Amino acid sequence: EVQLVESGGGLVQPGGSLKLSCEASGFSFSSYAMSWVRQAPGKGPEWVSTITGSGGSTYYADSVEGRFTISRDNSNNTLYLQMNSLRADDTAVYYCARSVKTTGSGNYYYFAYWGQGTLVTVSS
Amino acid sequence: SYQLTQPPSVSVSPGQTARITCSGDALSKTYAYWYQQKSGQAPVLVIYEDSKRPSGIPERFSGSSSGTMATFTISGARVEDEADYYCYSTDSSGNHWVFGGGTKLTVL
Repeated sequence: EVQLVESGGGLVQPGGSLKLSCEASGFSFSSYAMSWVRQAPGKGPEWVSTITGSGGSTYYADSVEGRFTISRDNSNNTLYLQMNSLRADDTAVYYCARSVKTTGSGNYYYFAYWGQGTLVTVSS
Repeated sequence: SYQLTQPPSVSVSPGQTARITCSGDALSKTYAYWYQQKSGQAPVLVIYEDSKRPSGIPERFSGSSSGTMATFTISGARVEDEADYYCYSTDSSGNHWVFGGGTKLTVL
């Protein structure tokens, strides 16, 4: 059974940093791309970032490019999201998701399995 | 920025057919994906590549796409299908991966 467990969320001041983790189990972690998707209170999901199985390629939404860094440790089945220069509009539940590259046109991924999320609140 | 447009709400009686649309300029060239999110839970993939159903998803759930509109259909909606539904896809460049605004489905 695919299991994804996020941790590391909490309250942080504007301009601060936070590092999220996602522990994966139940599948061959290094064989799959992984993503972070967030959801602000009362809003729809927003894709944040994706990393390929090897870690060789990363993709970022415009809203976090240059501030967030996605990484993974395949030896420990763990996905990370380093978040710097946090702003109030980064407040959201952050989900990690096992991802699959679309077979159609366009170089993008979709999210087949999601964790339960960790809440990040950016406030003074 | 690229947008996928969904109706904010759809309401049906139990046993009726519920249809949720998603419109976007690039949908004639890209696949649509559909997610169900029940209150307080994480989203669940219910349709991928326009019309395919993941393992474990009920047969009453289906998807289709024509031109710049994708449609998610529940044939014989049940009270337990009440949830928010989101479409997901990308723009024509493949660089902007976006979710629709979501549709709240009420079954009563």
